[in-house]
Amino acid sequence: NAGVTQTPKFQVLKTGQSMTLQCAQDMNHEYMSWYRQDPGMGLRLIHYSVGAGITDQGEVPNGYNVSRSTTEDFPLRLLSAAPSQTSVYFCASSSNRGGAKNIQYFGAGTRLSVL
Amino acid sequence: LAKTTQPISMDSYEGQEVNITCSHNNIATNDYITWYQQFPSQGPRFIIQGYKTKVTNEVASLFIPADRKSSTLSLPRVSLSDTAVYYCLVGDDSGGGADGLTFGKGTHLIIQP
Repeated sequence: NAGVTQTPKFQVLKTGQSMTLQCAQDMNHEYMSWYRQDPGMGLRLIHYSVGAGITDQGEVPNGYNVSRSTTEDFPLRLLSAAPSQTSVYFCASSSNRGGAKNIQYFGAGTRLSVL
Repeated sequence: LAKTTQPISMDSYEGQEVNITCSHNNIATNDYITWYQQFPSQGPRFIIQGYKTKVTNEVASLFIPADRKSSTLSLPRVSLSDTAVYYCLVGDDSGGGADGLTFGKGTHLIIQP
């Protein structure tokens, strides 16, 4: 059981480039979210989704887009990369049933550097 | 989502019991208390969750007083490998909730030999 899979693991971008961070889960979880973590800091919520076709903004959504066309996938798009977006990005999922929404499963992260 | 307050850092020694307290004064009736552990360069990992009184699993215990305005994560007989950041998260765990799940700054626990 793969759990939550994030690709790529590492990425270097130039300012102004765009890219998509991929996230896939095989646990049939309704709830998925994206966080960023800057060095020595806690996690900040970027965007989240409570099910296919439904997305919403978190604490720091500017500069990022998401879509949720299937239950399994929740890609995060950087529209025009900026150095301030250099961070580690984590994707997480949880079941929205049975009181388990707060028990999230995290991917291994994508380390992004924007030059 | 209820705001949480934790100590920024704590030190302890191998073999000791470590207690990390989280304050959540505005916890709501439907809110559950969930703790995560994060090692460097890894995503957070779920440790334990509770609603009231005491919960114990193979990793930790969680103590929640009757007023639920705080909670204490207890790690028995810690080892060097327990050095990590621990996050307390309080939120509505009922099905269908649409709020995003946000993390606080966490507690950096350092275990020394």
